[in-house]
Amino acid sequence: SSELTQDPAVSVALGQTVRITCQGVSLRTYFASWYQQKPGQAPILVIFAKKNRPSGIPDRFSGSSSGNTASLTITGAQAEDEADYYCHSRDITGNYYVFGTGTKVTVL
Amino acid sequence: EVQLVETGGGLIQPGGSLRLSCAASGFTVSGNSMTWVRQAPGKGLEWVSLIYSDGTTYSADSVKGRFTISRDNSNNTLYLQMNSLRAEDTAVYYCARALIYYYDSSAYYDSWGQGTLVTVSS
Repeated sequence: SSELTQDPAVSVALGQTVRITCQGVSLRTYFASWYQQKPGQAPILVIFAKKNRPSGIPDRFSGSSSGNTASLTITGAQAEDEADYYCHSRDITGNYYVFGTGTKVTVL
Repeated sequence: EVQLVETGGGLIQPGGSLRLSCAASGFTVSGNSMTWVRQAPGKGLEWVSLIYSDGTTYSADSVKGRFTISRDNSNNTLYLQMNSLRAEDTAVYYCARALIYYYDSSAYYDSWGQGTLVTVSS
């Protein structure tokens, strides 16, 4: 199965914008979804099919994709956005799924 | 309201077997695709297995031949049978509902359980 690579950690000042990237060969073919996970909690879906937000997810979360890179952007980061974020997609064979390595977002 | 509740975790010796259950409510397991995802202590998420609504299953190479995903439609429950357990299988195991995006037939997971901890140790 292929890998999805993310930066281990990023920080953002309160109210500013942060972009989290996810790189992988399979992203040229398949859409990514994004999950937020806070300590001790189950993940929650924040973006699916590259740029779609589930109901209840604030519109400060947005997704995009170009080539082999998918991105999650938080515009106007809030304290409650501090969490680990994981991308997810199919692997290049299409038979398996894979999560990214995860990015810890710290809101300063 | 969609709800998923995992049970069956615990302490098991290497080489042993365990069956995890995921009781669903608010939707039918038979009419949906479902997945298991695990997270080792202090580590990231790892996709384990998926069963499509048509019954087709896939599993990660790390568990293939040892873990089996299945469902019981009458009990509206998803299972993960885990055999030949190893220390590296120690993790919190989550079940999730997998929705399939029409455009590229990829799955994404919109509802998750709270997880059940499996510890493989002697």
